[in-house]
Amino acid sequence: QKEVEQNSGPLSVPEGAIASLNCTYSDRGSQSFFWYRQYSGKSPELIMSIYSNGDKEDGRFTAQLNKASQYVSLLIRDSQPSDSATYLCAFVPAYAGGTSYGKLTFGQGTILTVHP
Amino acid sequence: EAQVTQNPRYLITVTGKKLTVTCSQNMNHEYMSWYRQDPGLGLRQIYYSMNVEVTDKGDVPEGYKVSRKEKRNFPLILESPSPNQTSLYFCASSPLLGADNQPQHFGDGTRLSIL
Repeated sequence: QKEVEQNSGPLSVPEGAIASLNCTYSDRGSQSFFWYRQYSGKSPELIMSIYSNGDKEDGRFTAQLNKASQYVSLLIRDSQPSDSATYLCAFVPAYAGGTSYGKLTFGQGTILTVHP
Repeated sequence: EAQVTQNPRYLITVTGKKLTVTCSQNMNHEYMSWYRQDPGLGLRQIYYSMNVEVTDKGDVPEGYKVSRKEKRNFPLILESPSPNQTSLYFCASSPLLGADNQPQHFGDGTRLSIL
């Protein structure tokens, strides 16, 4: 089983709709989860971090974490064409402990296209 | 301006010829990390450093070396590059990894082609 898997894309939604991006992970001990956005030809940028079960909202973005089911999701409300990008989930694995706190494992990314 | 600077941005070279990709940050960040990005595989961590003289392996360290002699610099060294190291490489830094509201700052990337 892969350490982290994202819903296969590409995902296409109309402008104004809710885009839902999902990510499952295998390491039960993981505590820190992140969502990055990467525009084509650009470097990734952090858009959300979440550490506790439940929802975390920031503007049009909501991250949801369910540690029991081992998934984290990102909802983008009122999607805009400018949201078209690749979205990467990432987490800090807990299995190695100690200095592994600096490890960061990414999913393969989901391409989102928001069409007018 | 806060930034992470990678050099070179593009490099085409041949198998076995040692190369170094430099990474420098001007934000006094403790944490720095190197990633490679390949189509369909997302970002994979190569090495990271929690502070000066403290480095550790990520998920794909084979064939790479790093050093952290100064806080601002974290070079990636390919002693004997091979074609399977052809990739897009990113360097990133942050004050801490995982602390809320402490995003990683990424460099613009270095595209390496090993022939």
